[in-house]
Amino acid sequence: EAGVAQSPRYKIIEKRQSVAFWCNPISGHATLYWYQQILGQGPKLLIQFQNNGVVDDSQLPKDRFSAERLKGVDSTLKIQPAKLEDSAVYLCASSLIRLAGDGETQYFGPGTRLLVL
Amino acid sequence: SQQGEEDPQALSIQEGENATMNCSYKTSINNLQWYRQNSGRGLVHLILIRSNEREKHSGRLRVTLDTSKKSSSLLITASRAADTASYFCATGTGNQFYFGTGTSLTVIP
Repeated sequence: EAGVAQSPRYKIIEKRQSVAFWCNPISGHATLYWYQQILGQGPKLLIQFQNNGVVDDSQLPKDRFSAERLKGVDSTLKIQPAKLEDSAVYLCASSLIRLAGDGETQYFGPGTRLLVL
Repeated sequence: SQQGEEDPQALSIQEGENATMNCSYKTSINNLQWYRQNSGRGLVHLILIRSNEREKHSGRLRVTLDTSKKSSSLLITASRAADTASYFCATGTGNQFYFGTGTSLTVIP
């Protein structure tokens, strides 16, 4: 079974530029998550989707971050404009039906490492 | 912060020894999960314990949960070099899910 796919794996941009990350979850998984992991810290949940609907985006900085999950399958996370403090690894995860908060196991992708100069 | 706090931040042991790491959290939870992260395999789910459970085992892993103290512990027995990684607890309730700060474990061959 293929795992969660993410691209690109690495991205270097200058501040004020925009960037987009792509995620393809495990086939059949209804729930998709985006996390931000700053070096030396635990992952921080940014947004959760169930199918193509947003369940929670309370920790997403909506002035610069946006995410969508068209057709309830793959998803994109965009940052516009990027700031220096956005340098982090962006992780995508998926789970079969329920939310991680309800005890569902999440499967993580390899992440996209973003460096903002 | 609603994150869990792991203790210790870093732990170094010899192969074959047991490793214990602790997690404390602040609010009531539905479940608590432990994850491992290393450069080779990324972030991987290890074990889940629900709020009405006190102890669970999975292979060499033993997890305890004390909801009255809002704390959990992860015990890895007979550690191996391949156990070298960062370990995170994560607490969940409904649509809320928070990772802790992590414990960096080094197992010396």
